[in-house]
Amino acid sequence: GAGVSQSPRYKVAKRGQDVALRCDPISGHVSLFWYQQALGQGPEFLTYFQNEAQLDKSGLPSDRFFAERPEGSVSTLKIQRTQQEDSAVYLCASSPGGFRGYTFGSGTRLTVV
Amino acid sequence: DAKTTQPPSMDCAEGRAANLPCNHSTISGNEYVYWYRQIHSQGPQYIIHGLKNNETNEMASLIITEDRKSSTLILPHATLRDTAVYYCIVRVEYGGSQGNLIFGKGTKLSVKP
Repeated sequence: GAGVSQSPRYKVAKRGQDVALRCDPISGHVSLFWYQQALGQGPEFLTYFQNEAQLDKSGLPSDRFFAERPEGSVSTLKIQRTQQEDSAVYLCASSPGGFRGYTFGSGTRLTVV
Repeated sequence: DAKTTQPPSMDCAEGRAANLPCNHSTISGNEYVYWYRQIHSQGPQYIIHGLKNNETNEMASLIITEDRKSSTLILPHATLRDTAVYYCIVRVEYGGSQGNLIFGKGTKLSVKP
């Protein structure tokens, strides 16, 4: 597609529920990033993929967060046993590599109730 | 922590130039200054970047001081659609996850009619 597509756009989860957030990057983009953005804050780095390899997951806040990109294209961010503090917008960005090629999706707004 | 300091908010009259300052006193020699903006309910959008020379593109101009400790993003003729949060980021140009974007809180620019 023309841009980075994220689904669902909105997700309401009950506390303790598992959720899966999907990111469809721009075709051919090697690099893929996940960010978490709390209300009123700037996005914060979660994890980075180069093709199917997860090269950096230092930003994942706990072992309840898991990300994968098995075929080097679509990526899924999974959150197990959601907590209220997980409520945020989750942004995905892809890049062909290099300095300016970060294209962000519109994000998934997760609300844990 | 973000390596940049920006005012939390600014106002600008429609049609006038918007000058957004950013301090980055600890910038390293191989780090570039990047500007992104985030319009409400969208993902961040790349605007411009530079190393030490002033840069201009179809969206904006970037003025970097000679000592590289601060910069200014200039929107020459602000429109209502330029209302957004503007992020100033320093990072290496390339480098996989080293090229990860570290966002601060940015400057909320309000363009008023």
